[in-house]
Amino acid sequence: QKEVEQDPGPLSVPEGAIVSLNCTYSNSAFQYFMWYRQYSRKGPELLMYTYSSGNKEDGRFTAQVDKSSKYISLFIRDSQPSDSATYLCAMTDWGNYGGSQGNLIFGKGTKLSVKP
Amino acid sequence: GAVVSQHPSRVICKSGTSVKIECRSLDFQATTMFWYRQFPKQSLMLMATSNEGSKATYEQGVEKDKFLINHASLTLSTLTVTSAHPEDSSFYICSARRGFQETQYFGPGTRLLVL
Repeated sequence: QKEVEQDPGPLSVPEGAIVSLNCTYSNSAFQYFMWYRQYSRKGPELLMYTYSSGNKEDGRFTAQVDKSSKYISLFIRDSQPSDSATYLCAMTDWGNYGGSQGNLIFGKGTKLSVKP
Repeated sequence: GAVVSQHPSRVICKSGTSVKIECRSLDFQATTMFWYRQFPKQSLMLMATSNEGSKATYEQGVEKDKFLINHASLTLSTLTVTSAHPEDSSFYICSARRGFQETQYFGPGTRLLVL
């Protein structure tokens, strides 16, 4: 089982739709969770950064972490064509547990297309 | 914000030549920089981690003699692909972080094409 699983999509939605992107993970030591957005032929851009369980909201974006289920989500409200990109989840334990380098572990990314 | 730049953004070279890619943190000092490779429609693959002033730590399967990493200062790391071959063609992305328990900020990537 891979440490982080993410459905690669592609996911196609109409403009204005609510988008739900998800990742599951197996390592219970992960406590820090990030979502990155990557446009084609560009480097990833940090969107959201959350610690432990709970919700975090930033404009149209909401990140949700459920540590009991080892499941994280990113919701995009009122999606726009400019949101079309690949969304990567990432997580780490920051090396707080023996043997870990504290590096980010990435999902494969979900390709999202928002149609006008 | 935290801005990371890469140069060049794109390079085409002949097989057998060496290519150097620079990664700079523009508005912060980066104690650690990371180098990733990304093939089309694939996720990021960590190649190596470098801390300023010390040798890079390479991931399993990454040839340290082929991918030379130098992290000479808190704002600059370089990746040199030595004797590049067509199979080295890929998108190389660096990232940097201020401190141990801080998130990473990515550069825009360098597309390498080896003919």
